[in-house]
Parts: sequence; structure tokens; C-alpha cells
Amino acid sequence: QSALTQPRSVSGSPGQSVSISCTGTSSDVGTYNYVSWYQQHPGKAPKLMIYDVSKRPSGVPDRFSGSKSGNTASLTISGLQAEDETDYYCCSYAGSYTYVFGSGTKVTVL
Amino acid sequence: QVQLVESGGGVVQPGRPLGLFCAASGFSFSSYAMHWVRQAPGEGLEWVAVISDVGTNKYYADSVKGRFTISRDNSKSTLYLQMNSLRAEDTAVYYCARSVGYDSNGYWGRFDSWGQGTLLTVSS
Repeated sequence: QSALTQPRSVSGSPGQSVSISCTGTSSDVGTYNYVSWYQQHPGKAPKLMIYDVSKRPSGVPDRFSGSKSGNTASLTISGLQAEDETDYYCCSYAGSYTYVFGSGTKVTVL
Repeated sequence: QVQLVESGGGVVQPGRPLGLFCAASGFSFSSYAMHWVRQAPGEGLEWVAVISDVGTNKYYADSVKGRFTISRDNSKSTLYLQMNSLRAEDTAVYYCARSVGYDSNGYWGRFDSWGQGTLLTVSS
């Protein structure tokens, strides 16, 4: 199972919006609405930010939103803040009780 | 609060075995499927294995199938990962994670809680 494809990096100025794409196949992202997104600061454990494509866990700011079209899911951060600068990973159910993660994207706040 | 604490990592020679542990607290451990996820140095996350709440169902990534075994002891609220025939490419931080939101499609749910990880280095 190959990793989902994410851009290596995206950047934006404070207050702007950035989007991170996550491209899979018809065997994972394209078939299941089970895409989640994780934020990971250096040396820390990942933190769940979005699940089931577009649902937000309690405590996650509504600046974070998710969507999906075909084989590509997206995470959008609106009103970018300095503390949003870190790594983000998508994850999809891949069938047969397994998962696949994305390659990871570093968000830089200019 | 939910707490997951991994241990057992270290330096091991290629081909040797090693076991990892994950001690859980703050929730009803026996009610949740549990996973191992790893991250090689400077790399992305890779799902490794899952075990169902009562331990009867286990599934693995192709990269570890036949070499790694996931297990649990619900009486001790502990998750295990027995790793055999270790390779250099198994070098990674290993996280245990809880999933919530299981459904009948075989989806175990999203990873809502993670430990801090334990580092395994496979090197001669």
C-alpha cells in the first residue's frame, strides 16, 4: 500500500488560508469517507484535527476544515496563525481492516 | 484522562527480536481497538497493526506481516508488539494509538489518542 500523496510544503501569511491536498486512489480515499487529518509538532505525538473527511473533534478550532472530491481530500486552515506552523498528515481507511497515511506536509507561516 | 505510555525501545541488531509495550490508563481499555503506528526518523507516519477490543482480530501492514505480532492483555490494560527478524528499515519511533468510531465496513475508526512513542533503532 503506497502512501497518500501530499505536497511537501505549503505556506501562507498570518490570517490567510492554506489548503493541503491528499491524493489517494479508488481503493482508499476515493471509496471511503474515512479520511482523517493529524497535526504533529516536532518531537510530539500526532493530534487528531479532522475525521470522517470533515468532522472536527471537540477542542479543535473551526479554522480547520476538511473536504473530499474523488480521490483527493483536502485540509484547509483559515485565518492562519503562528501556532499552526508544523507538520500535517492525512490518513485514509484502505479496506481490509488497514490504513494508509499521507507523506506529510509542512505548513510554514510567513 | 486518557494516557498511553510506550516502552521497550532501544538498539537491537538486525535479525534479532524485540518487544514493545504500551500501558493504558484513564479509560476502559477493553472497549477499544488499539493500533501501532511508526515513524522513521525524518519520515512520515506508517500504520503497522491493529488488534480488536477483545483481541480476537489482528491485522498488519504488508511491511511487517509475518514478522510482527500484536497482542493485548486487557486485565493489565497493556498492548504489546512482538517484533522478530528486525531490519534496518524498522528503525522508527513506535506509537500506540486508540481508535474510536468502528463500523461494520471494517473501519476501526480514527486515532483519537496517542502515546509519546518509543524509539527502536535496528543497527549492527
